[in-house]
Amino acid sequence: DTGVSQNPRHKITKRGQNVTFRCDPISEHNRLYWYRQTLGQGPEFLTYFQNEAQLEKSRLLSDRFSAERPKGSFSTLEIQRTEQGDSAMYLCASSLTSGGFYNEQFFGPGTRLTVL
Amino acid sequence: GESVGLHLPTLSVQEGDNSIINCAYSNSASDYFIWYKQESGKGPQFIIDIRSNMDKRQGQRVTVLLNKTVKHLSLQIAATQPGDSAVYFCAETDYGQNFVFGPGTRLSVLP
Repeated sequence: DTGVSQNPRHKITKRGQNVTFRCDPISEHNRLYWYRQTLGQGPEFLTYFQNEAQLEKSRLLSDRFSAERPKGSFSTLEIQRTEQGDSAMYLCASSLTSGGFYNEQFFGPGTRLTVL
Repeated sequence: GESVGLHLPTLSVQEGDNSIINCAYSNSASDYFIWYKQESGKGPQFIIDIRSNMDKRQGQRVTVLLNKTVKHLSLQIAATQPGDSAVYFCAETDYGQNFVFGPGTRLSVLP
């Protein structure tokens, strides 16, 4: 296992279409996070999972966004009815947390979304 | 490839000099802090972390200092190299759930 992977790396879509991104975390990591990053900004937290449970969602995550981690391994992030404002880099990160002790997140390369 | 941080504050240092990148954090309850390096087209890469019960931590060529009184974090890079050129972000969290990233600083290493 060489790290967190994300697919696709780039996605170009037309406004109104639905898109889905996939994240494969480091295999033993129990936490998985999704972030959005726009040019000139740091990553903004969207949501995170502890195993298969989605434990927190940012108010940035509108009802057009949904994330799943069905078996506590890979995760998908779906955006419905995309808008031009959704254009950004979507980053996934994973970490290992045990006994309430949390550690650093390892990031994937991101999926660059462009909405035309 | 795409660029990260087109309009970020920039720190320019001569190759071989030491670099200091600063970060002010906002949440006095934050108990864990991380510095990340991000190169264009890539995700953030972990550099070093520190917990709130410490005020200094050293790694290979890097040192993080934490001043909880003024909510300030700094990253020191010794003998800066061209490969250190990137955008650097600090991140803070309480309870390890929502990590909040700072605005970032671009480090430019001059030959």
